[in-house]
Amino acid sequence: DAGVTQSPTHLIKTRGQHVTLRCSPISGHKSVSWYQQVLGQGPQFIFQYYEKEERGRGNFPDRFSARQFPNYSSELNVNALLLGDSALYLCASSLVLVQGLNYGYTFGSGTRLTVV
Amino acid sequence: SQQGEEDPQALSIQEGENATMNCSYKTSINNLQWYRQNSGRGLVHLILIRSNEREKHSGRLRVTLDTSKKSSSLLITASRAADTASYFCATDAFGSQGNLIFGKGTKLSVKP
Repeated sequence: DAGVTQSPTHLIKTRGQHVTLRCSPISGHKSVSWYQQVLGQGPQFIFQYYEKEERGRGNFPDRFSARQFPNYSSELNVNALLLGDSALYLCASSLVLVQGLNYGYTFGSGTRLTVV
Repeated sequence: SQQGEEDPQALSIQEGENATMNCSYKTSINNLQWYRQNSGRGLVHLILIRSNEREKHSGRLRVTLDTSKKSSSLLITASRAADTASYFCATDAFGSQGNLIFGKGTKLSVKP
């Protein structure tokens, strides 16, 4: 079975541009989360989607948006890119979304975004 | 903001030795999870311990949780060069929908 797949793996963008990152969860997983990991830091939560609805949002500006499609894949969009948006963007999926999530997430390999 | 703080930030040991990493957190949790990350790529889930558990084992891994001290430890026994990676603790905070709050990680280097 394929794991969580993310595309592209690497991306270079110029300040002010827009970027779209894509994620396909494990087959049957209905929850997708996005995390940003700046070099040398732990991942920071950006968004969580379940059954195509936003269920959680981290402390990120409105330039960041996301959506989940009927097939449970997801896109993360970032507008007006800043140098500080350079990071590894990780997508994670899980089967369901319940309080006290009693199992771990499966993460993709990430998209390395460099803003110049 | 980061919830957890791993200690130490970096750890270098010889193959065969044990590696212990610690994690402290701030709020009440549903569970605490440990992840491994190789060379800045994706995270691999290692083990999850619930708030009502005190110790859990998985192969060469042993995790403890002390909710009164808001701390956890990860022990890797008989370490191997392949264990070289960054290790993160992540908390599923009580009242959250399952989004994780990660610490800054411990960078483990196991020398052959």
